Amino acid sequence: EVQLVESGGGLVKPGGSLRLSCEASGFSFSTYSMNWVRQVPGKGLEWVSSISSTSRFIQYADSVKGRFTISRDNTKNSLFLQMNSLRAEDTAVYYCARILVYMSSTTSGSALDIWGQGTMVTVSS
Amino acid sequence: DIQLTQSPSFLSASVGDRVTITCRANQDISSYLAWYQQKPGKAPRLLIYAASTLQSGVPSRFSGRRSGTEFTLTINNLQPDDFATFYCQQLNNYPQTFGQGTKLELK
Repeated sequence: EVQLVESGGGLVKPGGSLRLSCEASGFSFSTYSMNWVRQVPGKGLEWVSSISSTSRFIQYADSVKGRFTISRDNTKNSLFLQMNSLRAEDTAVYYCARILVYMSSTTSGSALDIWGQGTMVTVSS
Repeated sequence: DIQLTQSPSFLSASVGDRVTITCRANQDISSYLAWYQQKPGKAPRLLIYAASTLQSGVPSRFSGRRSGTEFTLTINNLQPDDFATFYCQQLNNYPQTFGQGTKLELK
């Protein structure tokens, strides 16, 4: 079964750190780019970061740049998000998601086709 | 950054109805637009990618269309399981962005 399972969420004080993990199974993890997306409970979705299959290309949302670091270990089928200098506004459910890239003779596109169940991060004193 | 404006934000409909949700981009994103369905407490589920390609396993009553920078998600013959919140997302440029969501409720 194709699956992503996040872990590492929890309660942390402002200024603290947390490391999220996302373990992939059922597909060739090393061939896919991956995303982190977050969602404040009751609010919309926010893209956080992306990493290419070889870790060569990495992107961050401005809201987390300089504080969060995305990484991956293809030998362990795992994706990570190191979150430092956490703020109250980082409180959210964090999802990892696989990036599907589609190309045909007439069109092309990409999307997040597999999502984990999410892990809650709460930043509060 | 590319902005996606979804309309309406809320939609009330009945089983068997046909509904359409619109997502407008403020610049060209080609066909790099996807649609997701999310139910409370669950992760989003991919419905449509490349603006109009149905994801495997998604019922054919869902369809997507592109007209320039305007994208639509149409659901025909609404079923009880379809009531949820729907998001569009562009992956043409970084930062990736999502629409603000459309909550589809049972009338």
